[in-house]
Amino acid sequence: GAVVSQHPSRVICKSGTSVKIECRSLDFQATTMFWYRQFPKQSLMLMATSNEGSKATYEQGVEKDKFLINHASLTLSTLTVTSAHPEDSSFYICSAEGPRWGGELFFGEGSRLTVL
Amino acid sequence: GQQLNQSPQSMFIQEGEDVSMNCTSSSIFNTWLWYKQDPGEGPVLLIALYKAGELTSNGRLTAQFGITRKDSFLNISASIPSDVGIYFCAGRGSSNTGKLIFGQGTTLQVKP
Repeated sequence: GAVVSQHPSRVICKSGTSVKIECRSLDFQATTMFWYRQFPKQSLMLMATSNEGSKATYEQGVEKDKFLINHASLTLSTLTVTSAHPEDSSFYICSAEGPRWGGELFFGEGSRLTVL
Repeated sequence: GQQLNQSPQSMFIQEGEDVSMNCTSSSIFNTWLWYKQDPGEGPVLLIALYKAGELTSNGRLTAQFGITRKDSFLNISASIPSDVGIYFCAGRGSSNTGKLIFGQGTTLQVKP
């Protein structure tokens, strides 16, 4: 149980285009999902907390207009990188809180974004 | 804000050796989690700890929640080549906002 799936796993896009990444909890409902960004050989950096049915909460320094988050259902959150530029190239990982409140976070497989 | 210090940053060991890594916090945590990340993939949960002093095993892995609630360690016994990867500790503080704070990671390499 507690499987989180991300799609796509890899995406290459041209500068100026927008890219959507989906995060699904496959066998449980997740009222809260989290989006992370990871640079090579570094730890995970929390970007935002996605709450089902309400606006996402962004961490300091993360542009909410650049990284649009939608959590329309209990099993799906999406991250849209708008007007992507090469500096947005990164590994994006989503996670969902498991059934136990205050407990484990389960992560998706990650999405590698490359902006040309 | 809360910070986590994870050490060592990297380890290069011989197959069969035991491994130990730890994390310390500047403040009290209510939950400690240990993850392993393989290249190009998301972190996979190894062990979750919820009580001070708790000692939990998962196969060859053992982790403990420190009595002071400000530290945790992960031990891997009899390492094998597939143990290679980056290990992260993560903690959730008393505010229980749901946000996890991650350590910097420990890169483990195992020589056959």
